[in-house]
Amino acid sequence: GAGVSQSPSNKVTEKGKDVELRCDPISGHTALYWYRQSLGQGLEFLIYFQGNSAPDKSGLPSDRFSAERTGGSVSTLTIQRTQQEDSAVYLCASSQVLAGGRDTQYFGPGTRLTVL
Amino acid sequence: RKEVEQDPGPFNVPEGATVAFNCTYSNSASQSFFWYRQDCRKEPKLLMSVYSSGNEDGRFTAQLNRASQYISLLIRDSKLSDSATYLCVVNNGGMRFGAGTRLTVKP
Repeated sequence: GAGVSQSPSNKVTEKGKDVELRCDPISGHTALYWYRQSLGQGLEFLIYFQGNSAPDKSGLPSDRFSAERTGGSVSTLTIQRTQQEDSAVYLCASSQVLAGGRDTQYFGPGTRLTVL
Repeated sequence: RKEVEQDPGPFNVPEGATVAFNCTYSNSASQSFFWYRQDCRKEPKLLMSVYSSGNEDGRFTAQLNRASQYISLLIRDSKLSDSATYLCVVNNGGMRFGAGTRLTVKP
């Protein structure tokens, strides 16, 4: 079946512009995560959506970052007034929520964002 | 203190070597534990879950010590194809990733 898809795969933008990154999770997965990974670094948690619950936004680095998940499916991560330090690969993952926390996350291929 | 901490490495080992990675986590209420593997410029993929009793999958053995809040991954008879970054993951109401340990297996 189809995996997690993300678009665009690459985005080059100028400092100060807004960008929108899209994630299509696996159908039926109620949990959706956004992460950021800078070159050679680990995954940085950004935001977590689970069903109809309020999202866990504790990882968003500033108020320039926001995310929505419409209809419990597609999610959009928006970065306003981009800065050069926002350059990274933005990864989306989805999972079913299983008892005992035994979720398996499936990652999309990521969006590589470059802010000039 | 980070929620999940790993030795970043890198670990450079010859083929056939045994190598062990360690990971500690800060939230004692964490429910479940995993090891993910990430190849260069690729997305992370699940390698194996970690069970309280310890579990093995071929050349890979995972251990969990809840009292010490410590997880380990042992790779025996390492192959060139094992070269990757190994990510420790803890679920405490949301998945939290360690920064990863980089492994290079050399001929």
